[in-house]
Amino acid sequence: EVQLVESGGDLIQPGGSLRLSCAASGFSVSNNFMTWVRQGPGKGLEWVSVIYGGGGTDYADSVRGRFTISRDISKNTLYLQMNSLRVEDTAIYYCVRDYSDWGQGALVTVSS
Amino acid sequence: QAVVTQPSSLSASPGASASLTCTLRSGTNVVSFRIHWFQQKPGSPPLYLMTYNSDSDKRQGSGVPSRFSGSKDASANAGILLISGVQSEDEADYYCMIWRNGAWVFGGGTKLTVL
Repeated sequence: EVQLVESGGDLIQPGGSLRLSCAASGFSVSNNFMTWVRQGPGKGLEWVSVIYGGGGTDYADSVRGRFTISRDISKNTLYLQMNSLRVEDTAIYYCVRDYSDWGQGALVTVSS
Repeated sequence: QAVVTQPSSLSASPGASASLTCTLRSGTNVVSFRIHWFQQKPGSPPLYLMTYNSDSDKRQGSGVPSRFSGSKDASANAGILLISGVQSEDEADYYCMIWRNGAWVFGGGTKLTVL
């Protein structure tokens, strides 16, 4: 059974940094493309970043240069390093495998 | 103009059919894109419903009932999610998405109310 469990969400001040983790089970993160999608309070879905099976990455313009997606194959875990956080980054961050499997989400609140 | 547009709300009666549209901006030809559909209920992560490109290239999410089906209307440059025999449990937000230039592009979502 595929499982995705996000962690690392927190309340953080603007300008701060945070790293989200997504522990995967039931499959290997190296064999699939993995994506981070976020959803601001009361808002729709917004794509953040993707890492492909081969290791290539892509980012939304709104986070490029501030966020970094990575994975640890030995730990079967996906990460999202978020730097220079802004109030508008406040959202639930979902880890997604392929299109079909979504974690429960991690809440990131950026506020002073 | 957004790349992907969805009506903000739609209502349907139990047992009726509901057609949710996902319109692509002019210049973004629906014929060239797979349309992915997700359902989201309050307090839960999105649920993958399906991917539709053509009748010979489509994929249903695991456990998703066959009353959820996809199609395209090339004349309207739109993808369509058809829910046949709407049930009260179908009340939710529905999002469509295309993969364009290396990025997922979501529509703003349609809130389906079952009256």
